[in-house]
Amino acid sequence: QLQLQESGPGLVKPSETLSLTCTVSGGSISSSSYYWGWIRQPPGKGLEWIGSIYYSGSTYYNPSLKSRVTISVDTSKNQFSLKLSSVTAADTAVYYCARLIMWLGLDYWGQGTLVTVSS
Amino acid sequence: EIVMTQSPATLSVSPGERATLSCRASQSVSSNLAWYQQKPGQAPRLLIYGASTRATGIPARFSGSGSGTEFTLTISSLQSEDFAVYYCQQYNNWPLAFGQGTKVEIK
Repeated sequence: QLQLQESGPGLVKPSETLSLTCTVSGGSISSSSYYWGWIRQPPGKGLEWIGSIYYSGSTYYNPSLKSRVTISVDTSKNQFSLKLSSVTAADTAVYYCARLIMWLGLDYWGQGTLVTVSS
Repeated sequence: EIVMTQSPATLSVSPGERATLSCRASQSVSSNLAWYQQKPGQAPRLLIYGASTRATGIPARFSGSGSGTEFTLTISSLQSEDFAVYYCQQYNNWPLAFGQGTKVEIK
């Protein structure tokens, strides 16, 4: 059974960089069938797609966040990562990682991790 | 960039009744449309993909229809565990996009 687990600091100071890692177990991140992505959800609000990456390193970002986002993959560790720079309180959210199949959608999700931006 | 619009924002339904949720895309997404269910404190769960195909383990009371720009999720007879927020999402084009969600609440 595929599992995804987010990890990283739960508190980030304004103007700093938010860094999260998603560890994939029960399957290979290097499969040509899948993309891997990040989605966030501010408290009490809806879902926002942040970006996705293919195992080869090709990336796709939400235009509204593109200037601040970097997603990378480490196939040797079966992990992919998110960096969001210059954070503000508006970036406070639960951050989810998920697997994307382009003919199916987001079929496996991590449990989510709350990141609070505050001094 | 495709914008997904869901209606209504909140739907009040009695247990056992039918619920009909709508999702509209600002341009055609063909049938590359998914529906997700989210309960408080949980990650979203994939319900429907390809606009009308139920994901593994999803009960038959959930059905999806539509193509192009207009889509519908129907829950034929609401059970207590179905009260949740539902999101549509297009995966036809980058960037991916979610609708703002429809909350199905107990009437």
